[in-house]
Amino acid sequence: ELKVEQNPLFLSMQEGKNYTIYCNYSTTSDRLYWYRQDPGKSLESLFVLLSNGAVKQEGRLMASLDTKARLSTLHITAAVHDLSATYFCAGLNRDDKIIFGKGTRLHILP
Amino acid sequence: DGGITQSPKYLFRKEGQNVTLSCEQNLNHDAMYWYRQDPGQGLRLIYYSQIVNDFQKGDIAEGYSVSREKKESFPLTVTSAQKNPTAFYLCASRWDFTGELFFGEGSRLTVL
Repeated sequence: ELKVEQNPLFLSMQEGKNYTIYCNYSTTSDRLYWYRQDPGKSLESLFVLLSNGAVKQEGRLMASLDTKARLSTLHITAAVHDLSATYFCAGLNRDDKIIFGKGTRLHILP
Repeated sequence: DGGITQSPKYLFRKEGQNVTLSCEQNLNHDAMYWYRQDPGQGLRLIYYSQIVNDFQKGDIAEGYSVSREKKESFPLTVTSAQKNPTAFYLCASRWDFTGELFFGEGSRLTVL
């Protein structure tokens, strides 16, 4: 069964810096998803990555997928305080289960 | 407005009581999911349903039950057999084209 691991689980960074969150998964999954969760709120979809080499960008966030390495990354460019949140990656298992990583809690210091 | 509606948003329960959390969607999605989230933790799958009148157990189904009598509705019952039910419960439906999940606002259950 698909297992999804994120790292780091917690990240504190200064505004204006760049950083990358990594998402490794254990078995073949050609679909990978990124979600954002603000404290006390539900999840909202950020990116859907459907094939090897897929790259999606929205503002200061960019996500990519390498199915051969079983790795997805979420890159943050010139972080701003508004990006403070918990970010989850998730993969689609063969039996239609959608499995989430434990999340990366991102805290951006002004 | 299309979306997922969960109710209630907050619920308090005494030990030994069953409670049912409602989840309704008007997105015409076939698949629906229930997740549990504990403070500072990720999402764990309770049950999911790919089609009406069919559902499968997730990773933590013990102490929970579901039904899927209508495409739009996927209620979750937290039974008295669930030993530690205090948590944030999230319902989602899945868009078949991409597999992307759309979440409701969640229901926060506290057992007193």
